[in-house]
Amino acid sequence: AQSVSQHNHHVILSEAASLELGCNYSYGGTVNLFWYVQYPGQHLQLLLKYFSGDPLVKGIKGFEAEFIKSKFSFNLRKPSVQWSDTAEYFCAVTFNAGKSTFGDGTTLTVKP
Amino acid sequence: NAGVTQTPKFQVLKTGQSMTLQCAQDMNHEYMSWYRQDPGMGLRLIHYSVGAGITDQGEVPNGYNVSRSTTEDFPLRLLSAAPSQTSVYFCASSYDDPGQGAWEQYFGPGTRLTVT
Repeated sequence: AQSVSQHNHHVILSEAASLELGCNYSYGGTVNLFWYVQYPGQHLQLLLKYFSGDPLVKGIKGFEAEFIKSKFSFNLRKPSVQWSDTAEYFCAVTFNAGKSTFGDGTTLTVKP
Repeated sequence: NAGVTQTPKFQVLKTGQSMTLQCAQDMNHEYMSWYRQDPGMGLRLIHYSVGAGITDQGEVPNGYNVSRSTTEDFPLRLLSAAPSQTSVYFCASSYDDPGQGAWEQYFGPGTRLTVT
């Protein structure tokens, strides 16, 4: 079965620190890759996505992610985090229509 | 557009009771899914649908039923509630746009269910 693994369950950073959240998936075929964010008390919303082309994709709020096919990875990065980035982040892989497999999530706490 | 809507927002059930969680979308999306979110376990797929009249099981379907009689609606039925079904339930819809990247999920606000 397909699976998604997120490396860190809880990350604590100070404002202006750099962020990298790891995501690996297990599937040998073509995939669409996503990062979603869930701010406290809100529902999930799309941060960025990759389906083809440039493996470095940019999303909202200064986030970016790099798809490395040989490593089955799709790591999320941000050069300088803000207190408002405190949220839970989910990596997801979609293999076919309507079905996504999510990682367990990473809770990011940014200290002001 | 309202997007994906879910009702109720909160629900408390007693063990053995049944209920239906409602989900509707007004974006004419083909695909709809139900997920449950539990602490430390991410989102797990319960059931999904690729169009009206077509549904299939996801990762954790036991204890839940779905139907898709229209494109807009995708209700989730709990047949006989159990404490293990205490969770937050999210409905999502998606569509296929091969030129722009397919299957981005649009999520509803969630239903927080407690079974005592």
